[in-house]
Amino acid sequence: SQQGEEDPQALSIQEGENATMNCSYKTSINNLQWYRQNSGRGLVHLILIRSNEREKHSGRLRVTLDTSKKSSSLLITASRAADTASYFCATKGRDDKIIFGKGTRLHILP
Amino acid sequence: NAGVTQTPKFQVLKTGQSMTLQCAQDMNHNSMYWYRQDPGMGLRLIYYSASEGTTDKGEVPNGYNVSRLNKREFSLRLESAAPSQTSVYFCASRLRDRVPNTEAFFGQGTRLTVV
Repeated sequence: SQQGEEDPQALSIQEGENATMNCSYKTSINNLQWYRQNSGRGLVHLILIRSNEREKHSGRLRVTLDTSKKSSSLLITASRAADTASYFCATKGRDDKIIFGKGTRLHILP
Repeated sequence: NAGVTQTPKFQVLKTGQSMTLQCAQDMNHNSMYWYRQDPGMGLRLIYYSASEGTTDKGEVPNGYNVSRLNKREFSLRLESAAPSQTSVYFCASRLRDRVPNTEAFFGQGTRLTVV
């Protein structure tokens, strides 16, 4: 079964609001990564957080990691129309495989 | 610097036909991956290759074979296509296996329809 599971499956918010997505995983990890996918395109890496880190920032992105709960969250602040996309968490699993969750579809309303 | 290049971008096959999806990366990455993406299922790992000459099964390997031709190229073959293999296929590469904290780079995908 897949390593990561995102929550919610879909999210619609007004432009300017903050968007929060969550990810849960099942086994121990070296790192957790978040990717974005625009419709019909490949995935683009956003941010990576190591297992010994608890929080990381990159521009309007903030990622937290709680290894005791096996969960992570991605916060996008001051959302923009261009943030409309699907967001996936991915964990480095056994044998160095990268396993993805099912994703959260984010829609920013004008 | 092209990154990860997949060919073809689109393909329609008849049930039972065979084909090979090509993937090449020019970033000198060791690890390469093939995923399929279906609606509501996210990305599922088909096969991966930690280095030239090695391949390993992922979550959904049945019906597929792979070849790591050299460090740059990792191909995915469907020997006898089935409608259940209709999907979007993504190839990805990563700097080095056994180095835990590097991200994957993705190609633009191959949209395959099996009729």
